This record gives sequence, C-alpha cells and structure tokens, in this order.
Amino acid sequence: AQKVTQAQTEISVVEKEDVTLDCVYETRDTTYYLFWYKQPPSGELVFLIRRNSFDEQNEISGRYSWNFQKSTSSFNFTITASQVVDSAVYFCALSELYSSASKIIFGSGTRLSIRP
Amino acid sequence: EAGVAQSPRYKIIEKRQSVAFWCNPISGHATLYWYQQILGQGPKLLIQFQNNGVVDDSQLPKDRFSAERLKGVDSTLKIQPAKLEDSAVYLCASSLGAQGARTGELFFGEGSRLTVL
Repeated sequence: AQKVTQAQTEISVVEKEDVTLDCVYETRDTTYYLFWYKQPPSGELVFLIRRNSFDEQNEISGRYSWNFQKSTSSFNFTITASQVVDSAVYFCALSELYSSASKIIFGSGTRLSIRP
Repeated sequence: EAGVAQSPRYKIIEKRQSVAFWCNPISGHATLYWYQQILGQGPKLLIQFQNNGVVDDSQLPKDRFSAERLKGVDSTLKIQPAKLEDSAVYLCASSLGAQGARTGELFFGEGSRLTVL
C-alpha cells in the first residue's frame, strides 16, 4: 500500500534561515510520481513540483530545491533564505504511474512558519 | 483565467442536519475531484468525476455522502445526515483530463470549511 510520512508537524524559523522539510514514502510499485504542494492560509493547494521514480536528479528552482533519494525512499524539500511569504502548510504526495485506479496520496503536512 | 470556485466558504451545522457544497471547475476541465481535509491531515480523495461519470468513489461514505455532476461542469457534494467527524475542509479540484490524478496537475479551490456541532 502507498503511504507518505511527514514526521515534522510544525517548523518555525527566522527569516533568511534555510529550512528542510522531510518526506518519506512507501510504495510497492517501481514506477510512481512524487509531488510537493503548498497550502497558504487562503486554503487552495498549489502544485510545486513533480518527480518520476526514474529521475533521481535533484532539482533547483530559485530558492527551492528538492532532493530525491530512492535508496532511502525520501523526497526532501529545502527552502534557502526563507521569507515570510513561505509560511504555509506543505504537503508531500505520491501517485502510481500505471495503476488503473491511481490517486494521489498525501502526507499529513508540515506547517512552516517564518518569523520576521 | 478564472480558478476553481467553491461555495460556501464556511458552514456551521448541527449533527444530523444536511449540507451541500458547490464547485465550479476551470472552464474546459473534464475531470473534477472532491477531497476531504480533516484538521492536521492531508487531503483524502472522496470522489473523482470524468465529465459527468464517476471514475472513483471508493472512499466516499455512501450512506451519508452523495455527489453529482449532472451536466459535466459544476458539481454538488451533499452530506445527510452530518456527523461530528465530518467537520473538515472540503476541497474541490479540477484537471484537464483524468491523467491529473497521476501527474498531480490539479487546480484546487479554496475549500469549504464545515463545522458540525
């Protein structure tokens, strides 16, 4: 069965600090997608990134970077030089590529607070 | 381009009452999803529509929850009768096609927060 674990319930850092959000996943499939979403106080989830299980290259987008390690079943998200606008709940998620009944399974989220 | 619209944003009811939530997806999006997000948890898929047909309703508590998308555009989610444990945010999302459930390219509304007293 699929499962996504985000062990960090809440993180609070001071602005300009770097912060890493952890994500560990479980799946029996060899082909799957991993995602990160951001949920700001307004409530809508915003898609940030997708990685497929064949591509372990790390990705950087501005202040955001993602570290995918199949050996440890982890897909961690780092924000460099955090800003107050980064305050939100972040969800890691997983879906299987070829399952006929594919759905996105979300972790429980990490609430990130950036203090000025 | 208008996003996914949901109403009402907030609703407070007593247990055993009924409630309905409405969702209008992004124009042209064939696939519509309803998610339930309980406080402190990630969203859980309740039902997925492809046009006006149901693709997946395996996690919908069918004894009290119902959903429809009669004309393949907007959708209504109903709870009758409500229980305390139904207190949650109900998120509607849409995608161009059914592959959204795999690729994660879903567009979410701001949600409808339900409190059951």
